[in-house]
Amino acid sequence: AQSVTQPDIHITVSEGASLELRCNYSYGATPYLFWYVQSPGQGLQLLLKYFSGDTLVQGIKGFEAEFKRSQSSFNLRKPSVHWSDAAEYFCAVATLNTGGFKTIFGAGTRLFVKA
Amino acid sequence: DAGVIQSPRHEVTEMGQEVTLRCKPISGHDYLFWYRQTMMRGLELLIYFNNNVPIDDSGMPEDRFSAKMPNASFSTLKIQPSEPRDSAVYFCASSFDGQGNTEAFFGQGTRLTVV
Repeated sequence: AQSVTQPDIHITVSEGASLELRCNYSYGATPYLFWYVQSPGQGLQLLLKYFSGDTLVQGIKGFEAEFKRSQSSFNLRKPSVHWSDAAEYFCAVATLNTGGFKTIFGAGTRLFVKA
Repeated sequence: DAGVIQSPRHEVTEMGQEVTLRCKPISGHDYLFWYRQTMMRGLELLIYFNNNVPIDDSGMPEDRFSAKMPNASFSTLKIQPSEPRDSAVYFCASSFDGQGNTEAFFGQGTRLTVV
């Protein structure tokens, strides 16, 4: 069965420092991969997605993610974190099942940004 | 399009009462998902529909939960009877089954409190 693992429940970084959030998935084929961000009291907003092609994808707000098939990973990165990036980040996988696509989410990583 | 619309935004109800959550997906989207988010369990997929047909309801916690999608523009999630442990934020999301376009668009969520 497909699954998504985000090993870090929370991460704290200093403003201006670089960021990497980890995501590993389990699926027999190449899935569709996503990163979403959720600010307090809000729904989830798509940051970026990978379907095929270039394994380094660029997203909104200066985020990027790299798909590594050999490691079954899709880690999210940002070179310089801003205080407004403090939020919860979810990695998600959409896989093709009988009846169509199914999207499942990791447990999320909460990002804290310190001044 | 106004995006995925959920109502109500907040619901407070007494234990034992019936609760109905509503969702209007984005027009033209083939898929509709219901998720539940809690601190303890994160974001859980409860059920999803493809072209108004329920495809996978394995995430529905108990028979007290039911979901319907009578047409392409409306879905309900019903809890009867409600219990305090059902307190959570319930998200509805929709997506379009186009090539490379399976990202989910989320509503703002319904915060349910059962007292």
